[in-house]
Amino acid sequence: QKEVEQNSGPLSVPEGAIASLNCTYSDRGSQSFFWYRQYSGKSPELIMSIYSNGDKEDGRFTAQLNKASQYVSLLIRDSQPSDSATYLCAVTGAGSYQLTFGKGTKLSVIP
Amino acid sequence: DAGVIQSPRHEVTEMGQEVTLRCKPISGHDYLFWYRQTMMRGLELLIYFNNNVPIDDSGMPEDRFSAKMPNASFSTLKIQPSEPRDSAVYFCASSFAVRGELFFGEGSRLTVL
Repeated sequence: QKEVEQNSGPLSVPEGAIASLNCTYSDRGSQSFFWYRQYSGKSPELIMSIYSNGDKEDGRFTAQLNKASQYVSLLIRDSQPSDSATYLCAVTGAGSYQLTFGKGTKLSVIP
Repeated sequence: DAGVIQSPRHEVTEMGQEVTLRCKPISGHDYLFWYRQTMMRGLELLIYFNNNVPIDDSGMPEDRFSAKMPNASFSTLKIQPSEPRDSAVYFCASSFAVRGELFFGEGSRLTVL
């Protein structure tokens, strides 16, 4: 069974600091990797996608992928209180369009 | 452009009643997904469709659950009979030329008493 593991947190960081969120996955054939943000009581929204090994930067967000280690991470620079949310890691399987989500890491940015 | 539209937003019902959740995907999207979210189990994929055809329903918990997509702009998820353990938030999501970039509706919060 495909699994996506995340530390549930909460992860607390001071405003302006770097928040580091981590995710591991079990399916070695996974091809596409995503980070979704979910505010309390709201639906998930896509913030980053990454498909190949290495780093991908988008504004204050950087996604990092290491397929050999089956590890994907999200860095949030200059964290803001508005970044306080649950961050969901999601992974597609080999040859599949089916997304498997981790249970999420709750991030709290302290002003 | 309108996003994914779900209804109802909230549903409270009694055990044994039939529940129907509805979803209108984003126009032009050819994949539609139904997810269920609980604190204990997180987001679980129930079923997904491609061009209105069910592709994988292995996540449907049991025969009490059924889903249909009669056309490209409408899908339903039905629970009959409902049970308290079905209480959750049910999300519909759609995507185009899937690489996993799902767009979620606002969800339907179901409470079964």
